[in-house]
Amino acid sequence: AQSVSQHNHHVILSEAASLELGCNYSYGGTVNLFWYVQYPGQHLQLLLKYFSGDPLVKGIKGFEAEFIKSKFSFNLRKPSVQWSDTAEYFCAVNEDGKLTFGQGTILTVHP
Amino acid sequence: NAGVMQNPRHLVRRRGQEARLRCSPVKGHSHVYWYRQLPEEGLKFMVYLQKENIIDESGMPKERFSAEFPKEGPSILRIQQVVRGDSAAYFCASSPATGMYEQYFGPGTRLTVT
Repeated sequence: AQSVSQHNHHVILSEAASLELGCNYSYGGTVNLFWYVQYPGQHLQLLLKYFSGDPLVKGIKGFEAEFIKSKFSFNLRKPSVQWSDTAEYFCAVNEDGKLTFGQGTILTVHP
Repeated sequence: NAGVMQNPRHLVRRRGQEARLRCSPVKGHSHVYWYRQLPEEGLKFMVYLQKENIIDESGMPKERFSAEFPKEGPSILRIQQVVRGDSAAYFCASSPATGMYEQYFGPGTRLTVT
């Protein structure tokens, strides 16, 4: 069974700081990778996804992620965070339809 | 654009009672997935269903839990004889097919067992 590891449980930043959230997965085959976000009181929403092609993927709200196959990583980045980015972020990998999630990273952005 | 609907949003059950959680997928989606989020844990896959079929139930506890997705109507996750350890948030997701498609998530049902 594959696993997904997110390096940070809680990240605290000030507005305009740069963000990088780490994600590593164990699956060695062809991977479909996702980052989901859960804003306070809301349901999970897709930020971005990688299936194939350009390893640098751009998502909504200025987020991007880079797939590095040799490192089994899919880190999420944003050059300048906003207070409204406060949320919990989940990395996930798809295997035969089911998603395996990392444990989540809570991002708190102070104004 | 109606997304995935789940009801109830909050459900309180006493130990030993049954819990029924409902999920209506996005219109036109024929694949439904259930996930559970226990306190202090991430989201864990439970079961994957297609209309009238269970495709993968490898994440379902062997006893007391069952799921269905009938030809008509919502998908149901049923938990019989609930115990305190079943207290969690249960999320449903849907997709139009499997493979290279994202899963759209519902708001979740928060089950509390007293």
